[in-house]
Amino acid sequence: GAVVSQHPSRVICKSGTSVKIECRSLDFQATTMFWYRQFPKQSLMLMATSNEGSKATYEQGVEKDKFLINHASLTLSTLTVTSAHPEDSSFYICSAVPTSGGAIWAYNEQFFGPGTRLTVL
Amino acid sequence: QQQVKQSPQSLIVQKGGISIINCAYENTAFDYFPWYQQFPGKGPALLIAIRPDVSEKKEGRFTISFNKSAKQFSLHIMDSQPGDSATYFCAASKTSGTYKYIFGTGTRLKVLA
Repeated sequence: GAVVSQHPSRVICKSGTSVKIECRSLDFQATTMFWYRQFPKQSLMLMATSNEGSKATYEQGVEKDKFLINHASLTLSTLTVTSAHPEDSSFYICSAVPTSGGAIWAYNEQFFGPGTRLTVL
Repeated sequence: QQQVKQSPQSLIVQKGGISIINCAYENTAFDYFPWYQQFPGKGPALLIAIRPDVSEKKEGRFTISFNKSAKQFSLHIMDSQPGDSATYFCAASKTSGTYKYIFGTGTRLKVLA
């Protein structure tokens, strides 16, 4: 259990286009999801916290108009990179926190998706 | 206050040896400390986690040692195998509030066959 999927796994786009990445919790509900960005050989950098039914909370320095987040249901959050540029090329990873925090999972454990490799030409 | 310092940055261990990765935190409000394993091109996967009410937790070959007074915790991988070669991240979090993780900088482990 506790599987998180991301789609697509890889995407290549031209500069100036927008790209949408989906994050789904497959076997649990998640009120809270997180979006991270990871550059090669670096740690995960939190971009934003996505809460179902409300606006996302962005970390300092992350442009909310560039990285649009929608968490329309308890199992789906989307990240749209608008007007992508080569410097937006990165590995984007989402995670989800089970809503119930029940006996199966410990506390605020985050379950991570497999990541999406974005390359902007 | 929000940093988690992780060391070493990289580690090479012989097969069958013990791999030890250390982390230190500053914020005493943190009360959940997970370790994640990440293979290239993949998302992180939870290995093992600990709360401050215990000093050690063991799951298979993986052990977390926790020192609350020193604000340090470490991951020990016993009988290290080539398949353990990956990047390991420690993290710290509060179990109330935003559930945000503060990640360490990562340790690239290579286990030689």
